Order: sequence, then C-alpha cells, then structure tokens
Amino acid sequence: DAGITQSPRYKITETGRQVTLMCHQTWSHSYMFWYRQDLGHGLRLIYYSAAADITDKGEVPDGYVVSRSKTENFPLTLESATRSQTSVYFCASLTQQGIHGYTFGSGTRLTVV
Amino acid sequence: GQNIDQPTEMTATEGAIVQINCTYQTSGFNGLFWYQQHAGEAPTFLSYNVLDGLEEKGRFSSFLSRSKGYSYLLLKELQMKDSASYLCAVRDDKIIFGKGTRLHILP
Repeated sequence: DAGITQSPRYKITETGRQVTLMCHQTWSHSYMFWYRQDLGHGLRLIYYSAAADITDKGEVPDGYVVSRSKTENFPLTLESATRSQTSVYFCASLTQQGIHGYTFGSGTRLTVV
Repeated sequence: GQNIDQPTEMTATEGAIVQINCTYQTSGFNGLFWYQQHAGEAPTFLSYNVLDGLEEKGRFSSFLSRSKGYSYLLLKELQMKDSASYLCAVRDDKIIFGKGTRLHILP
C-alpha cells in the first residue's frame, strides 16, 4: 500500500544499546522528518531531510543519527540509548509545496529500560 | 526564537462551537497548519493557511492573521469523536509544533 510506514511499532531496549527505527514512504516526497512526542513537550523535531543525502538537525538532535541514502527511506538510530529517549517517535513526509501538510507514520513507541 | 502558544486544555459540550487559539513568534513564516491527534494515534492534517483570512472545510474552519501572529481553529456542531488534541504548527524552513490543546467534549 502507498503511504508512510514505520517499524517497529513497539520496541523495548536496554540502556546503552544501539537501536534503529525505520521509516519508509512510497510517494517520493522530498522532505522527511523525525519527531519525538513527550507529555508536556508536544512534538519536537529531531532531524529532517530535504532530499537524499541531505540531512539537518532539528531542535533535539543529540544522541541520534540519521541517514538518507535513498529518497524513500529515512532511518533514525539511537547510538547508545538512554532512558530519556523513552518516547513516541513519529516519522513524517512532506511535498515540496507542503500545502497538504505532513503525512505521519503510525509511530514507534520506544521504551528504554 | 521560535514560540508557539496554545491553551493546554479546553472543554465544550456536544453540539456547541469551540474556538482554539494559537499565537506564534517565529523567525520566518511559510504557512500555518492545524492537526488533529486522537490518543495513541498519529496526527492527521486538518488545515493549512498561508494568507490572511478564513478557510472553511465542513465543520472546521481556520483563521490566520499574519500581522498579529495569530490563528484559530473553529469547530462547529461538536461531536464526541472530536475529543482529541489539536496541534498548531508553523512552517518556517521546517515545521514547528505547539504543545497541543486537549479538547474534551461533554455529552
């Protein structure tokens, strides 16, 4: 099906482990984004990408790494997970014009124990 | 700096009208979005304003005043399914979200 898919939907990992959250979109949208959503903070931008091989930091990038070797994939890696990274992570894509807004993936609920 | 303010919570009655306000201060402006988010789900797009004025879409309308850094989302004929969080977001070179307004609908 066309759309934007995230995997896994739920993940529990231990402190210090590396974990990668996957995001795949089928529209060839130029822009892709990673947000985390926490109670009391709303959605905060971690990283974004304007095109393949172009990425940039958002509001809260520390502890995260992204890559975008192909337009359709935008994985987010936590290099050494910490408890403060327990959150719900949303991937989103946006057309160049952006007039229809983001399309969000279903989210990944990550728990770091 | 970038700042987007909206009320944390609001309560309204089924069948009534509610207005959710959003004020913003951003270094640039390329449009304002409203999203709806039900608990445990992803946000979904409601509206986009880039010019001043009112955009109407069914029971939902969104207003923008760029000179005042102000927008509102108007929900008419409230239904129980409208119980959700409503997110105001401003596009500069990227999209910045407010913390959201949790709307409770009473029967």
